Amino acid sequence: DAGITQSPRYKITETGRQVTLMCHQTWSHSYMFWYRQDLGHGLRLIYYSAAADITDKGEVPDGYVVSRSKTENFPLTLESATRSQTSVYFCASSEPGGGQTQYFGPGTRLLVL
Amino acid sequence: KNEVEQSPQNLTAQEGEFITINCSYSVGISALHWLQQHPGGGIVSLFMLSSGKKKHGRLIATINIQEKHSSLHITASHPRDSAVYICAAFTNTGNQFYFGTGTSLTVIP
Repeated sequence: DAGITQSPRYKITETGRQVTLMCHQTWSHSYMFWYRQDLGHGLRLIYYSAAADITDKGEVPDGYVVSRSKTENFPLTLESATRSQTSVYFCASSEPGGGQTQYFGPGTRLLVL
Repeated sequence: KNEVEQSPQNLTAQEGEFITINCSYSVGISALHWLQQHPGGGIVSLFMLSSGKKKHGRLIATINIQEKHSSLHITASHPRDSAVYICAAFTNTGNQFYFGTGTSLTVIP
């Protein structure tokens, strides 16, 4: 299917466990982004990637790791999940260039117990 | 202080009313985006603006660069317009998006 997909859509885990959220896009967009959305904060950028093997920190990167070995995939890993990482996570992609239209995935709801 | 502020936070309107949502930002930008988040959670991009005004159907977005302010207008509102509308500023330094906390719109039939 064309577009941008995220998996899993829902995840429950325990404090201290490693969790990986997957993001896949079929447009060959060079830019990809990970956001978290929390009540009262809106969307906040965790990490972004301008191309394969190029990643950079956003506003709230602590506790997260990303990689981008292929253009179409941009996994986000919580190395040791904490309750404060309970959130809805959105992946997005866009063409290069300043502030191009972003296309969002459906989101992953993560609950850390 | 947030880099992007939206008002109002919540808005209830009768079907057919003209609606305005405001966005003010404090950073230098190269583009300003309006997003719509549906009740199910999905997010779609409505507009990308760097100056002036854009129109798509019943939606109009304007931006005043000097005043660092943008507005989203909905004419002849309809219950299907009920959603959260999010303003996002893309900075002209640092490749960063800053998002407002959203305006929750409910349009009553």
